[in-house]
Amino acid sequence: DAGVTQSPTHLIKTRGQHVTLRCSPISGHKSVSWYQQVLGQGPQFIFQYYEKEERGRGNFPDRFSARQFPNYSSELNVNALLLGDSALYLCASSLTGGSVEAFFGQGTRLTVV
Amino acid sequence: DAKTTQPNSMESNEEEPVHLPCNHSTISGTDYIHWYRQLPSQGPEYVIHGLTSNVNNRMASLAIAEDRKSSTLILHRATLRDAAVYYCILRGRNTGTASKLTFGTGTRLQVTL
Repeated sequence: DAGVTQSPTHLIKTRGQHVTLRCSPISGHKSVSWYQQVLGQGPQFIFQYYEKEERGRGNFPDRFSARQFPNYSSELNVNALLLGDSALYLCASSLTGGSVEAFFGQGTRLTVV
Repeated sequence: DAKTTQPNSMESNEEEPVHLPCNHSTISGTDYIHWYRQLPSQGPEYVIHGLTSNVNNRMASLAIAEDRKSSTLILHRATLRDAAVYYCILRGRNTGTASKLTFGTGTRLQVTL
């Protein structure tokens, strides 16, 4: 079975640009969460979606947005990129929003120059 | 969210047991204790979780103090593949359709021959 897949794996963007990151959850999983991991830190929660509705939002500016599609895949959008947005962006899927176990993808490494 | 405290790093020899401590003195009665680990260049992966009783699975054991203010993740025989950052996370029981994982900085485990 395929795990959580994220695309692209690596990305370089210029300050001020916007970026879209994509995530496909494990088949049958209806919840997707997004995390940002800056070098040397643990992942920080950005959003959770369950059944296509936002169920949780972390302490991130409005430049960050996300959505979940009818097939439960998800996109994370970041506008007006700053140098500080450089990080590993992780997607996690779970069966339901409150499932015990979350399954993470390998992440998208975003570099803002 | 209640906070956890872990040592920044630990070392172990291969084939020996490893005890990874976690302090969570402000844990509430409904908080579960979760452990995730993150291998190099990968997303975090679930290891184990528990509430009050000690727990065992194929990956590890979780020993929970009687007052629940601390816990220990036990790897019975460390291998080189266990070298990773280990995160101790508290998570509320009744999260319904929404739940997030609040990661700290974790413990970096080094395993040597």
